[in-house]
Amino acid sequence: DTAVSQTPKYLVTQMGNDKSIKCEQNLGHDTMYWYKQDSKKFLKIMFSYNNKELIINETVPNRFSPKSPDKAHLNLHINSLELGDSAVYFCASSSLVGEQFFGPGTRLTVL
Amino acid sequence: GESVGLHLPTLSVQEGDNSIINCAYSNSASDYFIWYKQESGKGPQFIIDIRSNMDKRQGQRVTVLLNKTVKHLSLQIAATQPGDSAVYFCAENISGGSNYKLTFGKGTLLTVNP
Repeated sequence: DTAVSQTPKYLVTQMGNDKSIKCEQNLGHDTMYWYKQDSKKFLKIMFSYNNKELIINETVPNRFSPKSPDKAHLNLHINSLELGDSAVYFCASSSLVGEQFFGPGTRLTVL
Repeated sequence: GESVGLHLPTLSVQEGDNSIINCAYSNSASDYFIWYKQESGKGPQFIIDIRSNMDKRQGQRVTVLLNKTVKHLSLQIAATQPGDSAVYFCAENISGGSNYKLTFGKGTLLTVNP
């Protein structure tokens, strides 16, 4: 009965690798998001999709590519991982305007 | 502990006391505001929201106050409990603009001492 779920919860990988994080929501929301939270807890939006269309791209390097196969899923693929990509990544979803519901986060560590 | 190295604003209170967490927002056009609570190892969780046509809104043990003149938002927690220990974020949104974008403040770490 989890509203917003992400997999994996932890991801440890070497520099230069390519990895994906998956997100699913069962709330029937039209809009989904990816956020990055750094070591100082600063939470910054990366992408937003509405009905599978990209509507926000916050100057994220093009090594990051979101993909939305349907409006319940928004996956994040990262190419050529760098040390600075280490962070906690949160997926969220919402209806048109209003509170966003967050997933449990994926802690990415790049070695 | 978790606070080492974070450099977050911190607030330490005794159990049973009231807590007030403050937030200065940046955009005078913002018209919707949300407070989130983030416990260790979890995602942010909605607490309460307020629209700009209000200056106060109350929930269960929480009250949000909005002062648009000075672009200030506060969260008051009554009778603070150990389970309230978390990082609290305010977030602002402009409806009608980029409708789906929340801008988060930097967070305040609340520690409740039993």
